[in-house]
Amino acid sequence: DAGVIQSPRHEVTEMGQEVTLRCKPISGHNSLFWYRQTMMRGLELLIYFNNNVPIDDSGMPEDRFSAKMPNASFSTLKIQPSEPRDSAVYFCASSLRVDMAFFGQGTRLTVV
Amino acid sequence: GESVGLHLPTLSVQEGDNSIINCAYSNSASDYFIWYKQESGKGPQFIIDIRSNMDKRQGQRVTVLLNKTVKHLSLQIAATQPGDSAVYFCAENSNYQLIWGAGTKLIIKP
Repeated sequence: DAGVIQSPRHEVTEMGQEVTLRCKPISGHNSLFWYRQTMMRGLELLIYFNNNVPIDDSGMPEDRFSAKMPNASFSTLKIQPSEPRDSAVYFCASSLRVDMAFFGQGTRLTVV
Repeated sequence: GESVGLHLPTLSVQEGDNSIINCAYSNSASDYFIWYKQESGKGPQFIIDIRSNMDKRQGQRVTVLLNKTVKHLSLQIAATQPGDSAVYFCAENSNYQLIWGAGTKLIIKP
């Protein structure tokens, strides 16, 4: 298995633009997580899906952030409009059990 | 003003020595704990886990110790190698999600 696949690996965008991050979880995993990692706040859970259904989105910073999981093999995290303070590394992780997650390589987002 | 980032604890260890990374957890009801390793530019990677009904678990070159009395977790790495350089995170299972520690940076001195 190729593991959790995220795209793009790097994204540089201008403030105000829409950004879409993509994730392909490990086949057969039924839980998917979006995390954000910054030097200021460390690793933060943004949203958690189980069987494609959002279970807890309390970590989503504000309405500019949205996440979807249309099927078991694909999820997106969208930021619209993006702001410089959204600059971070965004990780997607998947698991069979909620407590042992496998992480992707991350997307490094820079908003200028 | 200047932003202040997280000040990661750092552990410097001579190559070949043993490393001990410590972690305090918050919830006495947590029943499952994991150690992750994050190398530069990569996502966190699972190392070893332990359930609350155990106080020690060994893997390949790694041992996790759990002290529930003082809510303390440690990761021991035997014969530390340059490839062990990374940030190490402990995480506790609370309800359906992991609660992450701030991380410890391990530096290997040649």
